[in-house]
Amino acid sequence: AQSVTQLDSQVPVFEEAPVELRCNYSSSVSVYLFWYVQYPNQGLQLLLKYLSGSTLVKGINGFEAEFNKSQTSFHLRKPSVHISDTAEYFCAVSDGAGGTSYGKLTFGQGTILTVHP
Amino acid sequence: NAGVMQNPRHLVRRRGQEARLRCSPMKGHSHVYWYRQLPEEGLKFMVYLQKENIIDESGMPKERFSAEFPKEGPSILRIQQVVRGDSAAYFCASSQSGRINNEQFFGPGTRLTVL
Repeated sequence: AQSVTQLDSQVPVFEEAPVELRCNYSSSVSVYLFWYVQYPNQGLQLLLKYLSGSTLVKGINGFEAEFNKSQTSFHLRKPSVHISDTAEYFCAVSDGAGGTSYGKLTFGQGTILTVHP
Repeated sequence: NAGVMQNPRHLVRRRGQEARLRCSPMKGHSHVYWYRQLPEEGLKFMVYLQKENIIDESGMPKERFSAEFPKEGPSILRIQQVVRGDSAAYFCASSQSGRINNEQFFGPGTRLTVL
């Protein structure tokens, strides 16, 4: 069965500093990878996704992520964070395990990013 | 262009009561997913429905939980005889095609509190 591990439950960082949120997955088949952001008391918003092609994916709000198949990782990065980036971030995977052909997402536990002034 | 709508946003029930959660997908979307987020955990898949059909309910508890997506109207997640452990945020997502690489758009969630 597929699984997603977000290695850090909380990441504090100062404004304008760079940040990396780590995500590792396990799957025996081709995967599609997603990062979502959740602001307090709101739903999830898609930041970026990897479907195929270039392993470096750019998303909204200046975020990017790199798919590394050999390390089964999909880490999220931003070179300079803002106070408004404070939120919870979820990594998710969708794959064809078990013959599944539809977009059933498996999520990591989430990483709370707190940006301090 | 309305997004995915869920109501109510907050729902309080006493143990043993029924909870009904509604989800209206985005216009043009006929595929709906329900996820549950327990406190301090990530989202867990519950059920995937297309219009009038349950495709995958492997993540749904076998008892007390049911879901439907009728031809007309919103998708409904129904929890009978709620218990305190059902307290969670329930999110609905919709997609246009349901394909494995198709983006899912999430609603704001319903936060269920069981007293």
